[in-house]
Amino acid sequence: AQSVTQLGSHVSVSEGALVLLRCNYSSSVPPYLFWYVQYPNQGLQLLLKYTTGATLVKGINGFEAEFKKSETSFHLTKPSAHMSDAAEYFCAVRGSARQLTFGSGTQLTVLP
Amino acid sequence: ETGVTQSPTHLIKTRGQQVTLRCSSQSGHNTVSWYQQALGQGPQFIFQYYREEENGRGNFPPRFSGLQFPNYSSELNVNALELDDSALYLCASSSNSGGVGTDTQYFGPGTRLTVL
Repeated sequence: AQSVTQLGSHVSVSEGALVLLRCNYSSSVPPYLFWYVQYPNQGLQLLLKYTTGATLVKGINGFEAEFKKSETSFHLTKPSAHMSDAAEYFCAVRGSARQLTFGSGTQLTVLP
Repeated sequence: ETGVTQSPTHLIKTRGQQVTLRCSSQSGHNTVSWYQQALGQGPQFIFQYYREEENGRGNFPPRFSGLQFPNYSSELNVNALELDDSALYLCASSSNSGGVGTDTQYFGPGTRLTVL
C-alpha cells in the first residue's frame, strides 16, 4: 500500500520569497515520486519526478525537490516565488502498482 | 508531438443517466489511466488500460467501466449516475515498457462532469 500526506492545504508566500511545499509518503517498495501542478480549470502538469539515482531533482520553472528516504519526504522548493507560481500542487507516489496515489494538494498563493 | 486530449470539456447529466468520456493518448504512449478529482481533493485512481485490457483498478464500483482501442485511445463509461459522481475526470497516458521504467503519466485537461 502507498499513501501521501501533504502538510498544509494552503501556503502563502510573498513574491520573491522561498517556496516550500511539504510531502511525506508511505510505500512498501522503493517509490517513484512526482510533483504535479494544476492551474484553475486545467489538468495536471508534471513539475518533476524522482525515480532512482540523484536524490536532488530539478524540474521546470525553477522548482526542485529532494528525496530523503530516512524522513520519507519529498518536499518541493523554489528559491524565489513568482506570481505565476500561484496554483495547486500535488505530490504523488507510484509504488508496486502502476497507479499514482496523490496527496490532497497544497494551494499556493503568492502575495505581491 | 500531440499531447493528451479529452472530450467533452464539460458535461451536465441528471441522476440515473449514463455518460461516456473520451481520451486520446499522447503519441507513442500505450497506456491510459483514468482518475476522478472531486472538488478540493486530489485525483483518485479509477482504472488503467494497457493493450486494450484493464491493468489495475481502484476502489470504484462496477458501474465505472472502460475501453481501450487499438490506437490506444480510451473511453470511460459511468452508468446510473449519482450526485457524488460530479467531478473532474482526468485521463493520463504513459508508455508501459513491460515493467521497466517510470511510466511517467501525462495528463489531459480533464472533463468536468456535473450530475444534477
